[in-house]
Amino acid sequence: AQSVTQLGSHVSVSEGALVLLRCNYSSSVPPYLFWYVQYPNQGLQLLLKYTTGATLVKGINGFEAEFKKSETSFHLTKPSAHMSDAAEYFCAVYPLASGSRLTFGEGTQLTVNP
Amino acid sequence: DAGVIQSPRHEVTEMGQEVTLRCKPISGHDYLFWYRQTMMRGLELLIYFNNNVPIDDSGMPEDRFSAKMPNASFSTLKIQPSEPRDSAVYFCASRPTSRPYNEQFFGPGTRLTVL
Repeated sequence: AQSVTQLGSHVSVSEGALVLLRCNYSSSVPPYLFWYVQYPNQGLQLLLKYTTGATLVKGINGFEAEFKKSETSFHLTKPSAHMSDAAEYFCAVYPLASGSRLTFGEGTQLTVNP
Repeated sequence: DAGVIQSPRHEVTEMGQEVTLRCKPISGHDYLFWYRQTMMRGLELLIYFNNNVPIDDSGMPEDRFSAKMPNASFSTLKIQPSEPRDSAVYFCASRPTSRPYNEQFFGPGTRLTVL
């Protein structure tokens, strides 16, 4: 079965610092990969996704993620954190053979300190 | 586009009462998903529909939970009778078949509190 592991349920950075949120998946076949963001009291919205092609994908709000097959990872980064980035971030995988079921990680709460 | 619409946004009820949560997917989207989010269990898929037909309900916790989709623009998730452990945020999401990469669009959620 597919699984997604997000390392660190809470990450705290200073404003202007690098943001790095980690995601590893287990799959014998590279799946489609997603990062979603959830702001307080809101639903999830898509930040970026990897399907095929270029392994470095850019998303909204200056975020990007790199698919590394050898490491089964899809870490999310942003060079300079902004206060408005404070939210919960979810990594998700869509295994190609599983119908329409997305599997979400447990989420990482990002705090940005002034 | 109005996005996925959920109602009510907040629901407070007493144990044993029936609760009905409602969802209107984005027009033209033929997949609809119900999720539950709690601190303990994270985000769980409860059930999903394709063209109004339930495809996978393996995530529905027990018989107290039921979901219907009578037409392409409306779905309900019902809990009867409700219990305090059902307290959670319930999300509805939808996507069109034309997006093969399974990008789902989420509603704002319904925060359910069962006393």
